[in-house]
Amino acid sequence: AQKVTQAQTEISVVEKEDVTLDCVYETRDTTYYLFWYKQPPSGELVFLIRRNSFDEQNEISGRYSWNFQKSTSSFNFTITASQVVDSAVYFCALHQGETSGSRLTFGEGTQLTVNP
Amino acid sequence: EPEVTQTPSHQVTQMGQEVILRCVPISNHLYFYWYRQILGQKVEFLVSFYNNEISEKSEIFDDQFSVERPDGSNFTLKIRSTKLEDSAMYFCASNRVFYEQYFGPGTRLTVT
Repeated sequence: AQKVTQAQTEISVVEKEDVTLDCVYETRDTTYYLFWYKQPPSGELVFLIRRNSFDEQNEISGRYSWNFQKSTSSFNFTITASQVVDSAVYFCALHQGETSGSRLTFGEGTQLTVNP
Repeated sequence: EPEVTQTPSHQVTQMGQEVILRCVPISNHLYFYWYRQILGQKVEFLVSFYNNEISEKSEIFDDQFSVERPDGSNFTLKIRSTKLEDSAMYFCASNRVFYEQYFGPGTRLTVT
């Protein structure tokens, strides 16, 4: 069975603060993929990043960075110098195994509110 | 940039009626999916579709649900007899091999 846990239901920060969204996953497979998606108030799901289980290198994209640690089964997401436009629900998701058409298992999501 | 599209954006139906939600996946993608999100909750997998057949389905995807790819571009989800608890946002997604799934904007289904 696979599971994704996002323990932080809601986070509220003031603009320009850094914020880290936590994601912990469970899987029995040695091959898997991890994702982050953003769901702004308009409701669509926007892909942010994909990571495979063999690549533990951290990644930075502008103000976004991701920390993948297999030892703790975590894939955390940090926004540096947050902006009001970052306000959204952020979902961590897991794709298990080597079959391309398999499901994504989503976490419960973290509602991030960035106040001016 | 290619996008997944979905129609309608909002569908209101009465309990017991059939609904068909439509999706046009990205053209060179091979795998197609339906997910749903009940208001305020997480996104839940319903079904995946590859090579004109279902490759995986969840416990939610019971006999009331069916999927079809009637032509080379459309991918549909049919709910035969809607229930109040089917009210949700339904997302279509598609991807190529081992790539991220791209989601459409969703169809909000309201069952009254």
